Amino acid sequence: GIQVEQSPPDLILQEGANSTLRCNFSDSVNNLQWFHQNPWGQLINLFYIPSGTKQNGRLSATTVATERYSLLYISSSQTTDSGVYFCAVDRGRTTDSWGKFQFGAGTQVVVTP
Amino acid sequence: DGGITQSPKYLFRKEGQNVTLSCEQNLNHDAMYWYRQDPGQGLRLIYYSQIVNDFQKGDIAEGYSVSREKKESFPLTVTSAQKNPTAFYLCASSNGLAGAYEQYFGPGTRLTVT
Repeated sequence: GIQVEQSPPDLILQEGANSTLRCNFSDSVNNLQWFHQNPWGQLINLFYIPSGTKQNGRLSATTVATERYSLLYISSSQTTDSGVYFCAVDRGRTTDSWGKFQFGAGTQVVVTP
Repeated sequence: DGGITQSPKYLFRKEGQNVTLSCEQNLNHDAMYWYRQDPGQGLRLIYYSQIVNDFQKGDIAEGYSVSREKKESFPLTVTSAQKNPTAFYLCASSNGLAGAYEQYFGPGTRLTVT
């Protein structure tokens, strides 16, 4: 199956700092999502971004599908950004593994005041 | 309110008992999914269903069973055959038959088996 690797595994930031999280995947994908898991376990959708660039407030994401990676940027970090960030991919409807989402191991982010 | 509900939030069971976790969605999504998360790890797919009355095994289906009799509901049974059932279980849904099929997650059920 498709392999998904996220880096770094852990990140400690001072409030106000910027950071970049990376997601590499081993095969072409038709669906890529970024999630934030809060301390209560809820997964919150950040971006649906199989290709291109999107921005939502202080967060933005870029996926370069041809090079098989995606980046999540956090700018001016706040303590509420703490949690685990996951990327998840799916190879798409033309494959027999359609719907079989594969998650990375996540990046644990701690933002200190 | 549209969304995905999972109940209960916390569940305690004795070893050897089967237990069923509930997942309901009112988003009119075709596809539903069950994941397991162990402490400090990512999510692993247990079962998924793209349409009513059909479902497929994910990466770790052994010891689990599901049914999909209604579009809104996708219950997961953790059987006594599952060797390490204590975990955080997450249900998700997506509009799997449409163009962009984003997954949306419920709040999860924490299962403890002793």
